Amino acid sequence: QVQLQESGPGLVKPSETLSLTCTVSGGSINGYYWSWIRQPPGKGLEWIGYIYYSGTTNYNPSLKSRITISVDTSKNQFSLKLRSVTAADTAVYYCARVGGSGSFAFDYWGQGTLVTVSS
Amino acid sequence: EIVLTQSPDFQSVTPKERVTITCRASQSIGSSLHWYQQKSDQSPKLLIKYASQSFSGVPSRFSGSGSGTDFTLTISSLEAEDAATYYCHQSSGLPYTFGQGTKLEIK
Repeated sequence: QVQLQESGPGLVKPSETLSLTCTVSGGSINGYYWSWIRQPPGKGLEWIGYIYYSGTTNYNPSLKSRITISVDTSKNQFSLKLRSVTAADTAVYYCARVGGSGSFAFDYWGQGTLVTVSS
Repeated sequence: EIVLTQSPDFQSVTPKERVTITCRASQSIGSSLHWYQQKSDQSPKLLIKYASQSFSGVPSRFSGSGSGTDFTLTISSLEAEDAATYYCHQSSGLPYTFGQGTKLEIK
């Protein structure tokens, strides 16, 4: 069974960079798209972007100027960097697999990690 | 950007009741519509992909239908463990978007 685990600081200061890593276990990162999704406290889900194992990316235009998603296939990990954060970026951040065989549903999710932006 | 609108926002239901949640897209998305269940303090879980395909391990009481702009998630006989917020998600066009969620409360 594929498992995903987010890791990174739970507190980031305003104007700094949020950095998270998702470690994939129980399966290979190769051959799939991988996504970041976030959820502000008490609110709905927002897609941040995805990366293909080969490195191709696609970002939400609302965040595109501030984000970078990268992949390290040797470590079975992919990462998110969100620059110039504000309180509005406070959210639970999830990593998820975009299902294979031509499916673009998010079939496996990490447990999520709460990132708070505060001084 | 494709906007997904779910209805209702909230529903209080009794066990064994049949429940229907709808998701309407702002433009045609074919069958590229997926449904997730999120229980309190948990990550979302995929229930239905591509409008009507059940994901592995999902109880048979969950089913989906629809195409184009109008979609439905049905729970045939509600169980107490189905208390959750349900989200639809479209993968027809970028950026991917989600509905605002429908919260089901068990009476």
